Amino acid sequence: DQQVKQNSPSLSVQEGRISILNCDYTNSMFDYFLWYKKYPAEGPTFLISISSIKDKNEDGRFTVFLNKSAKHLSLHIVPSQPGDSAVYFCAGGDGTSGSRLTFGEGTQLTVNP
Amino acid sequence: GAVVSQHPSRVICKSGTSVKIECRSLDFQATTMFWYRQFPKQSLMLMATSNEGSKATYEQGVEKDKFLINHASLTLSTLTVTSAHPEDSSFYICSALKDGYTFGSGTRLTVV
Repeated sequence: DQQVKQNSPSLSVQEGRISILNCDYTNSMFDYFLWYKKYPAEGPTFLISISSIKDKNEDGRFTVFLNKSAKHLSLHIVPSQPGDSAVYFCAGGDGTSGSRLTFGEGTQLTVNP
Repeated sequence: GAVVSQHPSRVICKSGTSVKIECRSLDFQATTMFWYRQFPKQSLMLMATSNEGSKATYEQGVEKDKFLINHASLTLSTLTVTSAHPEDSSFYICSALKDGYTFGSGTRLTVV
């Protein structure tokens, strides 16, 4: 049962344009969501999070939107930079399950100069 | 910020041998650490939750006798892959919770 799904395995955008990464979930118990960035052979690094009581959180070039009715969240990166090229994972957390995170499969973002 | 150090970053071992992976919280105490496994182009799958001073909690389908977890101190959790086989080859990542989740840099295990 894949509770968190990232249906796009890859995304390619031009430098300076907007990158939109999508994530869908099925577990209604998730009360917070996080986005991580990962380079090959490295651990994930935290990008941005959002609580289920909010519908938007912004941090610099990164904005996460949450649509609870659609069980969908998205990460917007604008403007995109070549250094943003990495795999992006979304993850859902359920405070009642001991802080466990459930990750999506990841989306490889490539930002072309 | 919080730092989690994971060693080794890469290890190659022979089939049938055991491999130990260490995860240390460098500047904070972590009563709980998490161990993940990632196959190529797949999600990070939680294997177990490591609790200081008590037994680890394993996810369904993870063999506790094969993946031994020890969390003997507030700054160190270890994962030992016992009697490793080629199918255990994967990328293993630990994380600790301190003002958010902090991940180690991961360990690439190759069993030949």
